[in-house]
Amino acid sequence: SAVISQKPSRDICQRGTSLTIQCQVDSQVTMMFWYRQQPGQSLTLIATANQGSEATYESGFVIDKFPISRPNLTFSTLTVSNMSPEDSSIYLCSVETRDSFPYEQYFGPGTRLTVT
Amino acid sequence: GQQVMQIPQYQHVQEGEDFTTYCNSSTTLSNIQWYKQRPGGHPVFLIQLVKSGEVKKQKRLTFQFGEAKKNSSLHITATQTTDVGTYFCASAGGTSYGKLTFGQGTILTVHP
Repeated sequence: SAVISQKPSRDICQRGTSLTIQCQVDSQVTMMFWYRQQPGQSLTLIATANQGSEATYESGFVIDKFPISRPNLTFSTLTVSNMSPEDSSIYLCSVETRDSFPYEQYFGPGTRLTVT
Repeated sequence: GQQVMQIPQYQHVQEGEDFTTYCNSSTTLSNIQWYKQRPGGHPVFLIQLVKSGEVKKQKRLTFQFGEAKKNSSLHITATQTTDVGTYFCASAGGTSYGKLTFGQGTILTVHP
């Protein structure tokens, strides 16, 4: 299993500013991911955070808007840049553990972002 | 990319009634995962199915993966108020089981 923490848990930000969200895992994991859940919606994968290399972004998401860092196997950050009200969402990091097959996924508690 | 359609969007049941949510894809899925998200919470992994025709049970929950690996279902027997939440199916693409495409989710409310 994996225990994941995220900071901040919530924030209210003004448009045009940026927010960096941190994700900390209690064990080393190979795969870390960032998801977005817009109000009342399902989850959408933003990117895969790769340790030691650039993140891999899904269609519709770009590095300039969502820069991601992954300095080691237990930590990652997601920055939401130049925010607009449309960025108001819950941002969740997740990890894949490979203790046994089939592999299990764990989600962090999420960061609730409101952009005014 | 692959799409996973989930129905119904909402389900209201009386406590003790059964509940089923369905997940369908037009393409063959390599796996299907199910998650539960309580109101105000984050998705919690329930199970992963990878084999054609696979059936798994967790107490009152029964998960099925279709023979053609294009559909899946989650069935809850005799719902309880603690079952309230949104149930998502998701499928992983590529070589990682964490790179997920989620269904739209089914919001379950249970009336005592």
